[in-house]
Amino acid sequence: SQQGEEDPQALSIQEGENATMNCSYKTSINNLQWYRQNSGRGLVHLILIRSNEREKHSGRLRVTLDTSKKSSSLLITASRAADTASYFCATVPTGNQFYFGTGTSLTVIP
Amino acid sequence: SQTIHQWPATLVQPVGSPLSLECTVEGTSNPNLYWYRQAAGRGLQLLFYSVGIGQISSEVPQNLSASRPQDRQFILSSKKLLLSDSGFYLCAWNEVSGYTGELFFGEGSRLTVL
Repeated sequence: SQQGEEDPQALSIQEGENATMNCSYKTSINNLQWYRQNSGRGLVHLILIRSNEREKHSGRLRVTLDTSKKSSSLLITASRAADTASYFCATVPTGNQFYFGTGTSLTVIP
Repeated sequence: SQTIHQWPATLVQPVGSPLSLECTVEGTSNPNLYWYRQAAGRGLQLLFYSVGIGQISSEVPQNLSASRPQDRQFILSSKKLLLSDSGFYLCAWNEVSGYTGELFFGEGSRLTVL
């Protein structure tokens, strides 16, 4: 399977804490992307990191990529209740295929 | 601005009945189009993608099919639904460009096969 795999499957934290979730994958990639999904809704793109990048920031989000270990991490700092959602990584090997992982369900407790 | 519409939002169908889910994109030309399925509490499974009218690539052999009769229209179909076809179906698009950018998703169609 070319799908990535997120870890942990579920994460529960207090508001204000940081949340870290990881993604491991098996194939070489052109880029890796992180998406968010609120319950029962479509996915929304958060951030894209290319294979030649090691770290990227966007607001309270920080993404790292280690292509030698085929892994990525998403850090959400100073979490808010509104960050409660499922988070997915998507690996993009080449061409037009996007392969999504199984997701991390994040619950931020007010 | 670009928008993506997906319908119906909810569908309950008996086993053996046909299926048609429709997706349209507005505000862009010649997009790449995708159908994903998400089983309850699971990740997304890529079903089909299309880079142009009449060009469909299938990722998973099954009793589903896809068609792209117009540039911005993508249809997912089945002649006879199975119980295992239940799930949340998501249509998505992205720009055809020199690199693979982000996907834009519709709001999904929840299918329950009884």
